[in-house]
Amino acid sequence: KAGVTQTPRYLIKTRGQQVTLSCSPISGHRSVSWYQQTPGQGLQFLFEYFSETQRNKGNFPGRFSGRQFSNSRSEMNVSTLELGDSALYLCASSERGDTDTQYFGPGTRLTVL
Amino acid sequence: DAKTTQPPSMDCAEGRAANLPCNHSTISGNEYVYWYRQIHSQGPQYIIHGLKNNETNEMASLIITEDRKSSTLILPHATLRDTAVYYCIVRVIGNQFYFGTGTSLTVIP
Repeated sequence: KAGVTQTPRYLIKTRGQQVTLSCSPISGHRSVSWYQQTPGQGLQFLFEYFSETQRNKGNFPGRFSGRQFSNSRSEMNVSTLELGDSALYLCASSERGDTDTQYFGPGTRLTVL
Repeated sequence: DAKTTQPPSMDCAEGRAANLPCNHSTISGNEYVYWYRQIHSQGPQYIIHGLKNNETNEMASLIITEDRKSSTLILPHATLRDTAVYYCIVRVIGNQFYFGTGTSLTVIP
């Protein structure tokens, strides 16, 4: 099976702009989770979507939002970008079955200038 | 989910076994132990997970103590490509993964 894919891989934006990141899960996986990784805060959970519904949510402001489509692909959006939003954004998918192992994509490197 | 404690860094000679410890003294009966690793700026890679019994796969072995309060990830023959940050995570199925600071393993030639 193909792995988790994320697009774009690199992105440069300026403060105040908005950005949309895309994630395609492994075929058959219905759960998609998003994480933000920065040198100072490490890997932090943003939210999880399962069958087009948000199931879990981390402690991030409302500027961070996401959605999941009927084919399980997911997008996350960050509005009114701040310098501190510069990070590696990671997407992970899982079957949401008994073992529920998450498999990560390569990430999108967002730089906010 | 239970909190985990890992040493911040470890070194291992190439070709030797790398033993990475993890303490999870508050683990509950329905919490699994997962191990992931992350090579610089790449997405974390799943290694192995277990509940009570020791587990082995093509990448590593997971040894969980009988009281389940600690575990050890064993990479049997470390190579330079095993240099990475290793995360030990304890979670109930269905909850999100909380990644701590992990152990930075350096494999030395």
